[in-house]
Amino acid sequence: DIQMTQSPSAMSASVGDRVTITCRASQGISNYLAWFQQKPGKVPKRLIYAASSLQSGVPSRFSGSGSGTEFTLTISSLQPEDFATYYCLQHNSYPPTFGQGTKLEIK
Amino acid sequence: QVQLVESGGGLVKPGGSLRLSCAASGFTFSDYYMSWIRQAPGKGLEWVSYISSSGSTIYYADSVKGRFTISRDNAKNSLYLQMNSLRAEDTAVYYCARDQTEGADGYNTIFDYWGQGTLVTVSS
Repeated sequence: DIQMTQSPSAMSASVGDRVTITCRASQGISNYLAWFQQKPGKVPKRLIYAASSLQSGVPSRFSGSGSGTEFTLTISSLQPEDFATYYCLQHNSYPPTFGQGTKLEIK
Repeated sequence: QVQLVESGGGLVKPGGSLRLSCAASGFTFSDYYMSWIRQAPGKGLEWVSYISSSGSTIYYADSVKGRFTISRDNAKNSLYLQMNSLRAEDTAVYYCARDQTEGADGYNTIFDYWGQGTLVTVSS
């Protein structure tokens, strides 16, 4: 199975900060990478697909980049509603595997 | 609008069985692969099982292989997960999610819509 390692596991930041979360795959996955946001008690929401394509309705402050084994999710200017847990997902091969999550908290 | 509504969760004893259902609407269900994904309390997301649009191809996570069975009824726009020999470690919220569709860019729809989840608790 392909392992997905996210870093950091947790971080604190302030409103207006630029934040980057990294996801590394244990082997190449081309661009078969998605990012999800989950708030406490809520359903995961897809933000990015195909590594860099923005899901319809998601604010443009979210962006994704990368290919192969290293990927990043960037939030250009944190808003209060962005404090949540973020997961990456690889679907290059079965089983699809999620990263362990990055919990983004308010500083 | 796309809607996925799970049902069938509850409290069950170790070794027991449950059948989860997911009712789909707002899209052509028979065009899409579907998956079940679970999340144990306070933990991350774990993919459980996948079924192709026709039902001819099925995959399972190693953790549930031989105990869980995924199926679908395209005439009823419904997805199912039969869970047998349940263990405490199967306790989780179970989500159904829309997966890929056919075609060159079919993978772009992976997990774009999720149900609200149904809680399965395995405890004596």
